[in-house]
Amino acid sequence: DVKVTQSSRYLVKRTGEKVFLECVQDMDHENMFWYRQDPGLGLRLIYFSYDVKMKEKGDIPEGYSVSREKKERFSLILESASTNQTSMYLCASSSETSGRVETQYFGPGTRLLVL
Amino acid sequence: DAKTTQPNSMESNEEEPVHLPCNHSTISGTDYIHWYRQLPSQGPEYVIHGLTSNVNNRMASLAIAEDRKSSTLILHRATLRDAAVYYCILRISNFGNEKLTFGTGTRLTIIP
Repeated sequence: DVKVTQSSRYLVKRTGEKVFLECVQDMDHENMFWYRQDPGLGLRLIYFSYDVKMKEKGDIPEGYSVSREKKERFSLILESASTNQTSMYLCASSSETSGRVETQYFGPGTRLLVL
Repeated sequence: DAKTTQPNSMESNEEEPVHLPCNHSTISGTDYIHWYRQLPSQGPEYVIHGLTSNVNNRMASLAIAEDRKSSTLILHRATLRDAAVYYCILRISNFGNEKLTFGTGTRLTIIP
């Protein structure tokens, strides 16, 4: 079974802190994604990566950065946390098969509260 | 991007079939119809997908209208563990790295 793990289920940080959210997948997937989920807004893509050291902005990248130094690990960084970044953060991964539809596998999510 | 429309919520009795509708009137010829669901306190999980023909797997069936402007996810015998938010998503097949665009989905409540 594909497993996507996230470093924390719950996290409380203060405004202005630098926050690291870690995601690890064990299926040798090329693609990894970070989404945030807010009530009434569904899931929104923050960043994704299709290879080591490669990254692409999603729909709402402002205030975030990412790092992918190893294939299995994709980190989301909040450089200076703000209260409007309080949210559920979901990591996902998928394999790369051009021309074929691939399933995305999600982690359990990290619920971040910024005070 | 083509959009989908789903009811905000539905209820069903346990052990009865559930039909979850999705409208996608602006679907293009290359869009696949995907369904994911999100159980409480978990990340979304894949349920099923299809292009034109009806599809079955161990979790559910997907019925696609002939004009592809709507589809229905069918849970044949709902259990309490099927209580979740169900998302209908359109997806172009070209690239494995394509993002998923989630709407707000349908919250399914199962009544014991």
